[in-house]
Amino acid sequence: DGGITQSPKYLFRKEGQNVTLSCEQNLNHDAMYWYRQDPGQGLRLIYYSQIVNDFQKGDIAEGYSVSREKKESFPLTVTSAQKNPTAFYLCASSFEVVFTEAFFGQGTRLTVV
Amino acid sequence: RKEVEQDPGPFNVPEGATVAFNCTYSNSASQSFFWYRQDCRKEPKLLMSVYSSGNEDGRFTAQLNRASQYISLLIRDSKLSDSATYLCVVNKNTGNQFYFGTGTSLTVIP
Repeated sequence: DGGITQSPKYLFRKEGQNVTLSCEQNLNHDAMYWYRQDPGQGLRLIYYSQIVNDFQKGDIAEGYSVSREKKESFPLTVTSAQKNPTAFYLCASSFEVVFTEAFFGQGTRLTVV
Repeated sequence: RKEVEQDPGPFNVPEGATVAFNCTYSNSASQSFFWYRQDCRKEPKLLMSVYSSGNEDGRFTAQLNRASQYISLLIRDSKLSDSATYLCVVNKNTGNQFYFGTGTSLTVIP
């Protein structure tokens, strides 16, 4: 079945550590996105990529990094520079055409301990 | 000014009621409009796309008013299973970015 897979579902990080969240899709989508969701704040865009080897900063990119070496994969690294990383992280993908919706992975819940 | 604004609610309605959610967007260049449903601690899922002429899917009706930059979702004959957060989503198709409202919380009460 086609879909978008995030792993792990739950992740615990010690302060000062970098962690990488995985996102893989087999929908042949060109565009991929990372969002962060905090209670009462909706989804905020961290990074997005429209094509392999290219990505753009979203509204809250500070403390995060991404790569897009393959069309299917768009991992997100939460670095130690991100001061408040505890949140629900959602990866999405879509075709690069008009009037197309975004499909989401199941999310990764990151907690700093 | 936020790209997309929604009334966060919460809306608490009895089973069988009709409830309407509204959403405004700030950029007149926006091209695509959607309503997503998000259950607690889950990912958002597409409920329906919103077309210029308005569209209906069973108990759900979505409307778009480009002149007022306004989107609505009407749910008729509410079911307990409709309890969720409803997200208004707008895509400018420039850079293909999706902009999300903060969501409107709905609880349908027996």
